[in-house]
Amino acid sequence: EVRLLESGGGLVQPGGSLRLSCAASGFTVSTKFINWVRQAPGKGLEWVSVMYTSGTVIYADSVKGRFTVSRDTAKNTLYLQINSLSVEDTAVYFCAIDGPNGDLLESWGQGTLVTVSS
Amino acid sequence: SYELTQPPSVSVSPGQTARITCSKDALPNKFAYWYQQKSGQAPVLVIFEDIKRPSGIPERFSGSRSGAMATLTINGAQVEDEADYYCFSTVNNRGVFGGGTKLTVL
Repeated sequence: EVRLLESGGGLVQPGGSLRLSCAASGFTVSTKFINWVRQAPGKGLEWVSVMYTSGTVIYADSVKGRFTVSRDTAKNTLYLQINSLSVEDTAVYFCAIDGPNGDLLESWGQGTLVTVSS
Repeated sequence: SYELTQPPSVSVSPGQTARITCSKDALPNKFAYWYQQKSGQAPVLVIFEDIKRPSGIPERFSGSRSGAMATLTINGAQVEDEADYYCFSTVNNRGVFGGGTKLTVL
């Protein structure tokens, strides 16, 4: 069974950094396209990034330059490094995988909450 | 920037048909995807590539497409279908979500 488990969220001050994790089970992270999606409190979904099986990462324009996605195949985990955090980054961050049949974002984790506040 | 436009809210009575639209700004040849998100939960894919339904999604959920507009239809909406629904598409390999539609079944 495919499972995704996000962690690493918490309270951080503006200007700080945080690294989120997306631990995968039931598949190998290097074999799926894996996305990050965030949702600010009471707001809609915002697509953040996708890492392809090749390791190439595409970012939303709104986060490019501050967010970095990486993966550790030994730990079967995807990471999202967020730098220069601002209050606008306060959100639940989800990771989600694309399915093999064109079913984008077909399986999601439960998310991890990042709160940016002084 | 590329936008997907959804109505903020749709309301139906149980058993009625609910239709949620998603208007795509330019690039009409991209597929639409639909996600259901219930309060406090992660989104769930209910329609992909305009009209396909993932396994496990009830048959009352269907998708259609006409030009630059995609529509999610729930035939015989149930109380448990009450949720936020988001359309999604891609442009230049980047994902874009619509603003979301709150479906009330009451």
